[in-house]
Amino acid sequence: ILNVEQSPQSLHVQEGDSTNFTCSFPSSNFYALHWYRWETAKSPEALFVMTLNGDEKKKGRISATLNTKEGYSYLYIKGSQPEDSATYLCAFIRIYNQGGKLIFGQGTELSVKP
Amino acid sequence: SQTIHQWPATLVQPVGSPLSLECTVEGTSNPNLYWYRQAAGRGLQLLFYSVGIGQISSEVPQNLSASRPQDRQFILSSKKLLLSDSGFYLCAVAGGYNEQFFGPGTRLTVL
Repeated sequence: ILNVEQSPQSLHVQEGDSTNFTCSFPSSNFYALHWYRWETAKSPEALFVMTLNGDEKKKGRISATLNTKEGYSYLYIKGSQPEDSATYLCAFIRIYNQGGKLIFGQGTELSVKP
Repeated sequence: SQTIHQWPATLVQPVGSPLSLECTVEGTSNPNLYWYRQAAGRGLQLLFYSVGIGQISSEVPQNLSASRPQDRQFILSSKKLLLSDSGFYLCAVAGGYNEQFFGPGTRLTVL
């Protein structure tokens, strides 16, 4: 059974705080790790697609790192804003994966108070 | 870039009634297609995926079925809905490194 674990489950921060989440995944047969942002009443949208050990990606105030050898990825948000409030999902993909299936974590629900 | 259409956007159905949700994709050919569900208070669960016309793989035993009658059409069905079928249903198409592009979703409430 392949498990993708995300922590924390939920996070409440004040506007301007910086925060980070963790995604843990199996360290063997790695193909890719994705981060998605899912706002209420909308569809998930990809933030990052990460494929190489040591990858660091950045989009505005949001960045992510990847360690495939130990099986974890961090997502960082610098200076959180209320519009960052959403559920952040990570998804793991194995190599030799029929159908290209993703295994999603349960998500981290972020709430940013003004 | 591809566009994913889903309908209906919302649906309220009685227990025991049939279901048909449709997903169509534009801007790509021979895509891998996926049906996901988010039940209340739970994460995103993969229900079915399809790598081609008539090819359906089911991920979890359930009350639902899927069909792919055309290259860019993916249908989710049930003969008799259960209360536990309520949730938010998302269709997705795979891009590079299997990045998922999601449709707008269907909110299903079974009463």
